[in-house]
Amino acid sequence: EDKVVQSPLSLVVHEGDTVTLNCSYEVTNFRSLLWYKQEKKAPTFLFMLTSSGIEKKSGRLSSILDKKELFSILNITATQTGDSAVYLCAEAGGTSYGKLTFGQGTILTVHP
Amino acid sequence: DSGVTQTPKHLITATGQRVTLRCSPRSGDLSVYWYQQSLDQGLQFLIHYYNGEERAKGNILERFSAQQFPDLHSELNLSSLELGDSALYFCASSVGVTGGGTDTQYFGPGTRLTVL
Repeated sequence: EDKVVQSPLSLVVHEGDTVTLNCSYEVTNFRSLLWYKQEKKAPTFLFMLTSSGIEKKSGRLSSILDKKELFSILNITATQTGDSAVYLCAEAGGTSYGKLTFGQGTILTVHP
Repeated sequence: DSGVTQTPKHLITATGQRVTLRCSPRSGDLSVYWYQQSLDQGLQFLIHYYNGEERAKGNILERFSAQQFPDLHSELNLSSLELGDSALYFCASSVGVTGGGTDTQYFGPGTRLTVL
């Protein structure tokens, strides 16, 4: 059964800090690894990673995938209070096209 | 705003009842996915429809069913409701059929179901 594990489960930092969120996965027939940010309601898409070693960036957020070691990291630099959210990692793999298997999420709290 | 719409936003009902949740995908998207999010289980995949056809099933209970209509909107029907069915139900949509393999799933705002 596909499995996604995120760490840490929660993180409290101050504005300006840099954070690294971790995601490890076990999956058959890996296709992609996705990161979502969930604030009050709907998860919003951040990144999709399919190739190992290629960093994806969007402003202060970046993410990279290691397909050999089966993990991904999400970095947030110069954190702001607006970054407070649950960050979800999901993998698309297995035999069911379209199914995303999500990790438990990392709750990030950024204090002023 | 992802472009995916869900109605209603909130639903409060009693055990044993039946409810229908509705989802309209983004314009141009042919796939619709349903997920359940509860505090203890996290986000769990329920079912995937592509252009009206069921493509994949997750841990969806037999009391739950879904369909996608010719106009591509989808409905999730939950019957014989139990207290444990209380959760956030999300719909997501994507352009193609692989939804994550090559195209991204965009989530709607969700329907919060409370079963009393």
